[in-house]
Amino acid sequence: KNEVEQSPQNLTAQEGEFITINCSYSVGISALHWLQQHPGGGIVSLFMLSSGKKKHGRLIATINIQEKHSSLHITASHPRDSAVYICAVYGNQFYFGTGTSLTVIP
Amino acid sequence: GAGVSQTPSNKVTEKGKYVELRCDPISGHTALYWYRQSLGQGPEFLIYFQGTGAADDSGLPNDRFFAVRPEGSVSTLKIQRTERGDSAVYLCASSFGLAGNNEQFFGPGTRLTVL
Repeated sequence: KNEVEQSPQNLTAQEGEFITINCSYSVGISALHWLQQHPGGGIVSLFMLSSGKKKHGRLIATINIQEKHSSLHITASHPRDSAVYICAVYGNQFYFGTGTSLTVIP
Repeated sequence: GAGVSQTPSNKVTEKGKYVELRCDPISGHTALYWYRQSLGQGPEFLIYFQGTGAADDSGLPNDRFFAVRPEGSVSTLKIQRTERGDSAVYLCASSFGLAGNNEQFFGPGTRLTVL
């Protein structure tokens, strides 16, 4: 049983495209995190959300607590955005999705 | 300032051996987390410290795994009688304050290979 489900698992986009990655969860949470992991690299925290919407540069994250769903959007995608994006939620402990592998082609 | 550091970066050991993995969190971070990540999977929660005490160790897979944080800073994850299935990247993260509601800063991980 996966407490956190992400879609799609893999995504290939052309440079400049608008990208959406989805996350659904089944547990009660106090916060949701979006993380970025580059191949062979460490994990970087992008956003922490408990409600509404946050924006940082070309990245936008939204959450709907009632529907237990969050989305990560990337506007004007660039090859350097290629990475694995991981959704994690905190209820009584951390639960992680398996990640969405994004490849942006020049 | 310095981020979270982990040592060693790679560890190769033989089945049945004992290993210790070290995490140095960001100075002043009271919360420290250990995770395990297998290839192609998301991280899996192992244990969370608040200060010196293990606030939640429900993710430790069995009693071969143990972690300490005696002075509320550096933490060591200890694995006894290693098995091939323990091979993974072990990640450490730290944050201010309570788990979940604060941004976590991750270390680069220790890649453990059990032969």
